[in-house]
Amino acid sequence: EAQVTQNPRYLITVTGKKLTVTCSQNMNHEYMSWYRQDPGLGLRQIYYSMNVEVTDKGDVPEGYKVSRKEKRNFPLILESPSPNQTSLYFCASSPPYGELFFGEGSRLTVL
Amino acid sequence: DAKTTQPTSMDCAEGRAANLPCNHSTISGNEYVYWYRQIHSQGPQYIIHGLKNNETNEMASLIITEDRKSSTLILPHATLRDTAVYYCIVRPNAGNMLTFGGGTRLMVKP
Repeated sequence: EAQVTQNPRYLITVTGKKLTVTCSQNMNHEYMSWYRQDPGLGLRQIYYSMNVEVTDKGDVPEGYKVSRKEKRNFPLILESPSPNQTSLYFCASSPPYGELFFGEGSRLTVL
Repeated sequence: DAKTTQPTSMDCAEGRAANLPCNHSTISGNEYVYWYRQIHSQGPQYIIHGLKNNETNEMASLIITEDRKSSTLILPHATLRDTAVYYCIVRPNAGNMLTFGGGTRLMVKP
């Protein structure tokens, strides 16, 4: 089954404790991206990647890092999480300029 | 800045057509219009997309104006399960900065 898998789905952590949210897709898509969703603000793009070793900033990249060492994986790294990074995070993938396939989301709470 | 403008919310009676408008007045020639919907806090789901011709699939129809500055998503017979937030976005044919905006919260009522 074609899917985008995110882990963890839920996480409560404390300020400053590094964490990684993994994202994996099994559709051989070149394009992958991360979004955060906050009440009243819709979906905002954090980072995206056009292919392996190619990443670019989206609208709200501050406080986040990404890497794309393999085509199927696109982890989101929070080196020093802060409470303003409490949010619902979505990973998505697509073929070039095609429809996006989204993961089920990862709800992160930073205390 | 969002490249699309949508009404914040709309209501529709069950069984009737839901017509969701979207303005994208700054759309350029190589940008596609995509529609997604999000039910509760699930991952957004693709509905339909188009460049300049009207499109129809099993879920919906997409009507794009001739000048491409606006479009309408039509759910022909809305059901309660169509209650969701609907996002209209424009996607360039080069580069992949995607801005979703706030979307339209569609409430289908019995």
